Amino acid sequence: GQQLNQSPQSMFIQEGEDVSMNCTSSSIFNTWLWYKQDPGEGPVLLIALYKAGELTSNGRLTAQFGITRKDSFLNISASIPSDVGIYFCAGQQGGSEKLVFGKGTKLTVNP
Amino acid sequence: DGGITQSPKYLFRKEGQNVTLSCEQNLNHDAMYWYRQDPGQGLRLIYYSQIVNDFQKGDIAEGYSVSREKKESFPLTVTSAQKNPTAFYLCASSISQGGNEQFFGPGTRLTVL
Repeated sequence: GQQLNQSPQSMFIQEGEDVSMNCTSSSIFNTWLWYKQDPGEGPVLLIALYKAGELTSNGRLTAQFGITRKDSFLNISASIPSDVGIYFCAGQQGGSEKLVFGKGTKLTVNP
Repeated sequence: DGGITQSPKYLFRKEGQNVTLSCEQNLNHDAMYWYRQDPGQGLRLIYYSQIVNDFQKGDIAEGYSVSREKKESFPLTVTSAQKNPTAFYLCASSISQGGNEQFFGPGTRLTVL
C-alpha cells in the first residue's frame, strides 16, 4: 500500500527548543492528521487538517496543510519532557475509506 | 466514559494456535479498523468495517479474520496461517464511513512463542 514519507526519523533536542517535522507524498490528500504515540500505548489524535493552506494550533503544537496538498508540517514550540514519543502523520485521499500513515518521527527531549 | 477498549493488554500464545483479540467501543462510531504495528514501522491496515455485518480486507489481511456482528465490537482472530504474528495490534474507530478522524484503543501486544 501507499506510504507517506515522514522526516526526520528521529530527533534529539534540549528542553525548551522548538521542533519541526514533516510528511510528504507524491499524491494529493484531502485530509492530514497528526498523532502522538507514547510507548506501549495507542496513538492519540493531536490535530486534524481539512483545507489546503490551513494552519491549526493545539496548545504548543501547530500543524499546516501544504498548499500543494501533498505535504503537511508539525511544529512543537518550547518542548518539554512529556513531548517525548513518536509522532505520526496520516493522510486520507478523496474517495478512500482508509488512512495512509507515515513511519513516524521519534522525539527525545533532554531535560 | 466514552472510548475504545482492547483486551488483553498482553497476550502470549504458542505457535500454531489461533488467538482472538477484543476491541469494543462505546462512541457510537460506525467504522472500525484493525492495524498492526512493528518496531520502527508505521501502522499497517489489516481489516476494516464500515457497517455492521460488513468488512473489507486491508493491506495485510492474510492470516487474519474478523467479524462485525455488533456495532460496538470488532474482534480480530490471528490464525495459525499468519507467518509472523508477534506484533502490537491497534484497534481504531471513526464516526462514519470514510471517517477521517480515527480514534485508537490502547493496543494489545501479542507474543507468539
